[in-house]
Amino acid sequence: QKEVEQNSGPLSVPEGAIASLNCTYSDRGSQSFFWYRQYSGKSPELIMFIYSNGDKEDGRFTAQLNKASQYVSLLIRDSQPSDSATYLCACVGSSNTGKLIFGQGTTLQVKP
Amino acid sequence: GAVVSQHPSRVICKSGTSVKIECRSLDFQATTMFWYRQFPKQSLMLMATSNEGSKATYEQGVEKDKFLINHASLTLSTLTVTSAHPEDSSFYICSARPSGLITDTQYFGPGTRLTVL
Repeated sequence: QKEVEQNSGPLSVPEGAIASLNCTYSDRGSQSFFWYRQYSGKSPELIMFIYSNGDKEDGRFTAQLNKASQYVSLLIRDSQPSDSATYLCACVGSSNTGKLIFGQGTTLQVKP
Repeated sequence: GAVVSQHPSRVICKSGTSVKIECRSLDFQATTMFWYRQFPKQSLMLMATSNEGSKATYEQGVEKDKFLINHASLTLSTLTVTSAHPEDSSFYICSARPSGLITDTQYFGPGTRLTVL
């Protein structure tokens, strides 16, 4: 079992729709969770971090964390073609080395 | 805020030469920086953790004598690929974690694309 799992996609949504990206993790002691966006040929860009159960909203983005289910999600409202990218879920494990453990990433395609 | 730069952005070199890549945190101090490598259509692979003033910690399978890391200040870490070979051609990305933050947020540099001929 991978430490952080994401569906590789591609996830295809029409412009203006809500895109829902999901991630599960295996280390129950993980405390911090991150969503990064990576455009093709570019480096990852931080979108949000979350470390408390519940929702955290920032503009069109909402991160959701459920530690009991070991589940993190990212919702993108009013999806735009410019949101088309690979979304990486990451967490810091209970070993507390500060190293990010990344999922494989989900490719999102927003169709005009 | 939280800007990380890398230099050079792109480098082409001959097999057998060494290449140095710089990673700088521009508006914050970073006790810890990380070096990643990414091959086309693959996920990020952590190579090493760089700590200011101490030796880097390398991930399993990464040759420390081939990938030399120096973290001489709180804003600069360098990665030197020694005796580069075509199989070292890749996208090298650094990240920096601001000192003193509660979370382990890492901010990534724009990456360096290395091509070894």
